[in-house]
Amino acid sequence: DGGITQSPKYLFRKEGQNVTLSCEQNLNHDAMYWYRQDPGQGLRLIYYSQIVNDFQKGDIAEGYSVSREKKESFPLTVTSAQKNPTAFYLCASSMRGAEAFFGQGTRLTVV
Amino acid sequence: AQSVTQPDIHITVSEGASLELRCNYSYGATPYLFWYVQSPGQGLQLLLKYFSGDTLVQGIKGFEAEFKRSQSSFNLRKPSVHWSDAAEYFCAVGAPTFQKLVFGTGTRLLVSP
Repeated sequence: DGGITQSPKYLFRKEGQNVTLSCEQNLNHDAMYWYRQDPGQGLRLIYYSQIVNDFQKGDIAEGYSVSREKKESFPLTVTSAQKNPTAFYLCASSMRGAEAFFGQGTRLTVV
Repeated sequence: AQSVTQPDIHITVSEGASLELRCNYSYGATPYLFWYVQSPGQGLQLLLKYFSGDTLVQGIKGFEAEFKRSQSSFNLRKPSVHWSDAAEYFCAVGAPTFQKLVFGTGTRLLVSP
């Protein structure tokens, strides 16, 4: 089945740790995106990538990093510089301008 | 800049009643328009999309939306709401020139018995 897969579903991070969230798609989409969602808030764009080896900052990129070494993969690293990382993280992919397909999300909690 | 406005943060509808969720966009040309639904703890699921042609679009789960160019609107409707429709709904706008979709802030739908 074609789709977009995020892992893990739940992730716990200790203070000062970096953690990496995985996002893989087999839809042959050029573009991939990372969003953050906090309770009662909408989607906030962290990073996005239109092609391999290229990515752009979104609205809240501070404390996050990404890579796009393969078309299918767009991992997000939450660094220790992100002071409030507890949130629900959504990955999406699309062809340019068209509808985005979303993964099931990763819930990150700082312990 | 492109933008999407969903003026209602929360809406409560009785089960069996009709529903209309509002969406207004700002964009100089004809956009691509989308409605998504999100259940708690889940990703977003596409309900329907408009690219061109017939301005009344049918989607999944009995939803429809109408594109009104003169009002820059793309309101989502359902004639009879079911308790399982309780969720968050997001409107989004895109275009071939866009690098990313622009999302509204969402409307939370509550369904009362």
